[in-house]
Amino acid sequence: ELKVEQNPLFLSMQEGKNYTIYCNYSTTSDRLYWYRQDPGKSLESLFVLLSNGAVKQEGRLMASLDTKARLSTLHITAAVHDLSATYFCAVDLGYGGATNKLIFGTGTLLAVQP
Amino acid sequence: ETGVTQTPRHLVMGMTNKKSLKCEQHLGHNAMYWYKQSAKKPLELMFVYNFKEQTENNSVPSRFSPECPNSSHLFLHLHTLQPEDSALYLCASSHGQVEYFGPGTRLLVL
Repeated sequence: ELKVEQNPLFLSMQEGKNYTIYCNYSTTSDRLYWYRQDPGKSLESLFVLLSNGAVKQEGRLMASLDTKARLSTLHITAAVHDLSATYFCAVDLGYGGATNKLIFGTGTLLAVQP
Repeated sequence: ETGVTQTPRHLVMGMTNKKSLKCEQHLGHNAMYWYKQSAKKPLELMFVYNFKEQTENNSVPSRFSPECPNSSHLFLHLHTLQPEDSALYLCASSHGQVEYFGPGTRLLVL
């Protein structure tokens, strides 16, 4: 059974601090996604990682993918309150076809405190 | 209107009712998806459609019946649901890798 596990499930951090969210998965895939969900809102795409060693950055967030280790990380630099949300990783089992087959992780609830 | 829209946004139904959820995308995408988001569980893929054809049914009970009349519209017909079906139902569309999600329908089954 495919498992996509995120660590930690809950993260409380202070503004200005750095931290990393980890996403481990149990099957072969070289396509991984990160999404953000604000309370009561829908999911917003953050990053699409399509190969081993892929690294993408947007603002204070940086995502990377190690397909050999089956691990993706989402690194937060100098956190600000606006980053408070739930972050999901998702592994694509669609194998590059016309549609995706995303298996989502449990989510990490991030709370940035002033 | 742009993006992915869903109606209704909130729905309360009894176990003997029949209702339908509607999703519409204005992005010109060819693929559409239904997901279920329950409390304390990961987001679960339910159905996938590509150019109106169903390509994935993730072992969803038959009390959920999807319909995709064209690439822009997706429905989820509900009948004889159970209380454990209460959840947020999200629709998404894609053309390529990125999926764009709608705001969801919050469903409560009494």
